[in-house]
Amino acid sequence: QVKLLQSGAALVKPGDSVKMSCKASGYTFTDYIIHWVKQSHGKSLEWIGYINPYSGGTNYNEKFKSKATLTVDKSSSTAYMEFSRLTSEDSAIYYCARGWFAYWGQGTLVTVSS
Amino acid sequence: DVLMTQTPVSLPVSLGGQVSISCRSSQSLVHSDGNTYLHWYLQKPGQSPQLLIYRVSNRFSGVPDRFSGSGSGTDFTLKISRVEPEDLGVYYCLQSTHFPPTFGSGTKLEIK
Repeated sequence: QVKLLQSGAALVKPGDSVKMSCKASGYTFTDYIIHWVKQSHGKSLEWIGYINPYSGGTNYNEKFKSKATLTVDKSSSTAYMEFSRLTSEDSAIYYCARGWFAYWGQGTLVTVSS
Repeated sequence: DVLMTQTPVSLPVSLGGQVSISCRSSQSLVHSDGNTYLHWYLQKPGQSPQLLIYRVSNRFSGVPDRFSGSGSGTDFTLKISRVEPEDLGVYYCLQSTHFPPTFGSGTKLEIK
């Protein structure tokens, strides 16, 4: 069955970067785009961007263009998101989702604190 | 960006009852290909969102027929009949017709 397994929680300092992963299984990795979504504590969901694992092509929400970098490693069926210049506003759960959001990873909690 | 307005914010319900959740968009969600990309999700406490309904009225695999979606243009509704304990959580609508995809602010279904 389709599974998206995300990396564990991260505690990072303000100004640092964090790179999280999303390992896909149960389907052909290059057949579906991977989205990334942010959920701040107790709040709704914001779309960050997506990557096409086949071509490596990306598309970002304007709000996150200077913050997020999406990449993939086809050999391990893993998508990555790097978030840079972190502030307290970036503390959130980050989800990856396949295709048109039909399948989601379990989320990665990022806490930004000194 | 397309604004998705969900009402109500909170929805108390008795088990076995029926409820409706409204989702309105700031512009029509009819895509140039003729499809309407409006979807519904349930996020149970401590879990990821799970897809219930895609493209307005299509139930995703394994979703019981107690869930139904309807609507067109800018006005959409999710109905849940015979509410069960496993239905409790926050419901979100999502539009993916226009870039960027945007979510509603959520409706929390809780026991009355």
